[in-house]
Amino acid sequence: DAKTTQPNSMESNEEEPVHLPCNHSTISGTDYIHWYRQLPSQGPEYVIHGLTSNVNNRMASLAIAEDRKSSTLILHRATLRDAAVYYCILRDGAGSARQLTFGSGTQLTVLP
Amino acid sequence: DVKVTQSSRYLVKRTGEKVFLECVQDMDHENMFWYRQDPGLGLRLIYFSYDVKMKEKGDIPEGYSVSREKKERFSLILESASTNQTSMYLCASTLLGANTEAFFGQGTRLTVV
Repeated sequence: DAKTTQPNSMESNEEEPVHLPCNHSTISGTDYIHWYRQLPSQGPEYVIHGLTSNVNNRMASLAIAEDRKSSTLILHRATLRDAAVYYCILRDGAGSARQLTFGSGTQLTVLP
Repeated sequence: DVKVTQSSRYLVKRTGEKVFLECVQDMDHENMFWYRQDPGLGLRLIYFSYDVKMKEKGDIPEGYSVSREKKERFSLILESASTNQTSMYLCASTLLGANTEAFFGQGTRLTVV
């Protein structure tokens, strides 16, 4: 399975944009890029996903590099409630995507 | 609107007990997953199931078994609980296919004494 690499931690100031990077240099052409986040004492929650094109939703934007070897999750205006561990994972679109494997993620701290 | 429900939020069991952790989803999802989460080790996949009565081992299946008799329910079984199985256990479900989001339960904090 293709793996992802993320920084262990990042800090951001409240009300400023946050760019969370993810490297996935061994990504295959059928892998979808997914982002999840885990707030303290909760299960992970879905944030966004994409295949090739940039994606936007009410929570965030996903910018995917042209070669797809990296991606960036963008929180346009960080709030204290965005402090969480953010996971970037790949899911294989060629099969039934039975596996759902997480790495260690990025701990985002939002400073008031 | 709770979509993935885990039977207990907190559980305390004794060493050697047989422990059942239950997970129910109401979205008619084919895939269901069990993870454990420990500080510094992230989410580790124990088992997953892609259909009724079908299961596959994840990364750390030793000491665990699973049961999926109905599509909406996925049970994690600790045949003989040990203290090193003290952990947070998380259940998730998804539709088939990679272009779908996963839904997680709130987790069960299991302590084995």
